[in-house]
Amino acid sequence: AQSVTQPDARVTVSEGASLQLRCKYSYSGTPYLFWYVQYPRQGLQLLLKYYSGDPVVQGVNGFEAEFIKSNSSFHLRKASVHWSDSAVYFCAVSNVGDNSKLIWGLGTSLVVNP
Amino acid sequence: EAAVTQSPRNKVAVTGGKVTLSCNQTNNHNNMYWYRQDTGHGLRLIHYSYGAGSTEKGDIPDGYKASRPSQENFSLILELATPSQTSVYFCASGRDIQDTQYFGPGTRLLVL
Repeated sequence: AQSVTQPDARVTVSEGASLQLRCKYSYSGTPYLFWYVQYPRQGLQLLLKYYSGDPVVQGVNGFEAEFIKSNSSFHLRKASVHWSDSAVYFCAVSNVGDNSKLIWGLGTSLVVNP
Repeated sequence: EAAVTQSPRNKVAVTGGKVTLSCNQTNNHNNMYWYRQDTGHGLRLIHYSYGAGSTEKGDIPDGYKASRPSQENFSLILELATPSQTSVYFCASGRDIQDTQYFGPGTRLLVL
């Protein structure tokens, strides 16, 4: 079955520390991969997306993600987090050529301590 | 900037009552989506639409109807609301499934 797994429900880091939020997917075909962020009491916003090309994709606010096909992973990274990065981060995947729904992970809640 | 608005932002309903959640987008996107978000479940797709006049069932359509009378508007209808439908509901729009989805601010629904 197709799925997206975000193994960490909650991650706590100190301001200025580096960050990695993990995402693994199980999907047939060639996927589009997305990371979205949800700030408190807001809707989701796109951070970055990947389909092809350079496996390291840059997003907004210094975030990047690396697609590793052999590992079916699309981990999100940031070199130095700020307290304002505290939010819930969602990984999602779609299937190219199949106008079907996105498959969403359950999200990772990031808490950045000042 | 893509714009998706939802109304109402907050709603208290009684069990057995009818609830209509409205969504409007000014992006001229073909696709629109209704999700609910609950702790422990992430985002779950209820209904979606490919354009005016079309509605499709998502992963959890039971107890919900959808209506897409125009490109801009997409409604979610709870004919007989139940307490299990207490949740936060998000509407989103996008050109196609591979494109960015633009989300509204959400509607908090409490069914008593």
